[in-house]
Amino acid sequence: DIQMTQSPSSLSASVGDRVTITCRASQTINNYLNWYQQKPGKAPNLLIYGASSLKSGVPSRFSGSGYGTYFTLTINSLQPEDFAIYYCQKSDRTPLTFGGGTKVEIK
Amino acid sequence: EVQLVESGGGLVQPGGSLRLSCAASGFTFSRYWMSWVRQAPGKGLEWVANIKEDGGETAYLDSVKGRFTISRDNAKKSLYLQMDTLRAEDTALYYCARDKDVGPSLLDFWGQGTLVTVSS
Repeated sequence: DIQMTQSPSSLSASVGDRVTITCRASQTINNYLNWYQQKPGKAPNLLIYGASSLKSGVPSRFSGSGYGTYFTLTINSLQPEDFAIYYCQKSDRTPLTFGGGTKVEIK
Repeated sequence: EVQLVESGGGLVQPGGSLRLSCAASGFTFSRYWMSWVRQAPGKGLEWVANIKEDGGETAYLDSVKGRFTISRDNAKKSLYLQMDTLRAEDTALYYCARDKDVGPSLLDFWGQGTLVTVSS
């Protein structure tokens, strides 16, 4: 099965910073990659699908890129409500494996 | 408004069984694949199983194959997860999520989860 590896596992940043999270697949998954945000005590929320398509209603400061085995999620001008855990997920075929998550904390 | 409401969680002894349910509303349930995703306390997300819109195709995480069964009743707009031979490592918050209608998977709406605790 394809493994999904996120880095870093956690990071500290300030409001207004630009943050980049990476996700690597152990084999190519073309652009079949989704990103989710999870806040404490809440269900995950889909942010980006197909590696770079923004879900309707998600702020434009979120963007995704990548293809094959390397993907990034970028948050431009981090806002207080963006402090959360972010997960990538392969979406090509089952098992629909998630990455281990990246916790974005306030510096 | 899309809503997914899970139920059926609880405390069960190792080797026991539970049946989770997910009641859907606000969308045409019979058009979408559906998934179960779990999250152990303090841990990350783990996809568990999914089912095609007509119930004709299912897939499972290797560690639950042969023990868990996903099913659906489109007339009742409900998704189910029958969990047998439960183990301590199955302890988690179980989420029901709407999956794709066509194309690659995308879990675009989630319930709030139901907690399963496997312990003696």
